[in-house]
Amino acid sequence: NAGVTQTPKFRVLKTGQSMTLLCAQDMNHEYMYWYRQDPGMGLRLIHYSVGEGTTAKGEVPDGYNVSRLKKQNFLLGLESAAPSQTSVYFCASNQPGSNQPQHFGDGTRLSIL
Amino acid sequence: AQKITQTQPGMFVQEKEAVTLDCTYDTSDPSYGLFWYKQPSSGEMIFLIYQGSYDQQNATEGRYSLNFQKARKSANLVISASQLGDSAMYFCAIERGSQGNLIFGKGTKLSVKP
Repeated sequence: NAGVTQTPKFRVLKTGQSMTLLCAQDMNHEYMYWYRQDPGMGLRLIHYSVGEGTTAKGEVPDGYNVSRLKKQNFLLGLESAAPSQTSVYFCASNQPGSNQPQHFGDGTRLSIL
Repeated sequence: AQKITQTQPGMFVQEKEAVTLDCTYDTSDPSYGLFWYKQPSSGEMIFLIYQGSYDQQNATEGRYSLNFQKARKSANLVISASQLGDSAMYFCAIERGSQGNLIFGKGTKLSVKP
């Protein structure tokens, strides 16, 4: 009964380093999303995908890339990490349809020094 | 563009009392959906309730209900019989477009006092 699993849960990077956050869902959902949450803010959409092999930009896409090579996985990459990317990252997934809630992972806390 | 406003940064409620968390929204879409999520101190996002703009009745889910006033563009969350475990951040969100994207408000921190 895993739902949405994010790896890793915590990570500390130095400025300029790269890394990939992995999101995996076992609910056969078509849609997947990456959000970031900063203190005092709600979640903001970084990128999303409406199906395997497709991705699109959200509200705050700069500095991030994504890939969805398999339906169940959605990867978020930081090519050259910056302190401004220090945040909590959430992955979510759902099925198409106006009343389908997004199911969230537990988040990844990322610090860039 | 869609926008969500939650005007109450923090709220206190006595255990077993009801509490209303405010949410107003702005959208030009004729059809839209509104969601409420709970985020406990442990950090996960928990779906609570959904209201569609064309739903005839206000949504209810157990102790949660929505006071949906379409003309006023408000979708306030009502929690009845508050419990200590209800202490958390609560986020209102509106669906943007047909691809399920959500726009979140900044949230309201609810504290339930024993």
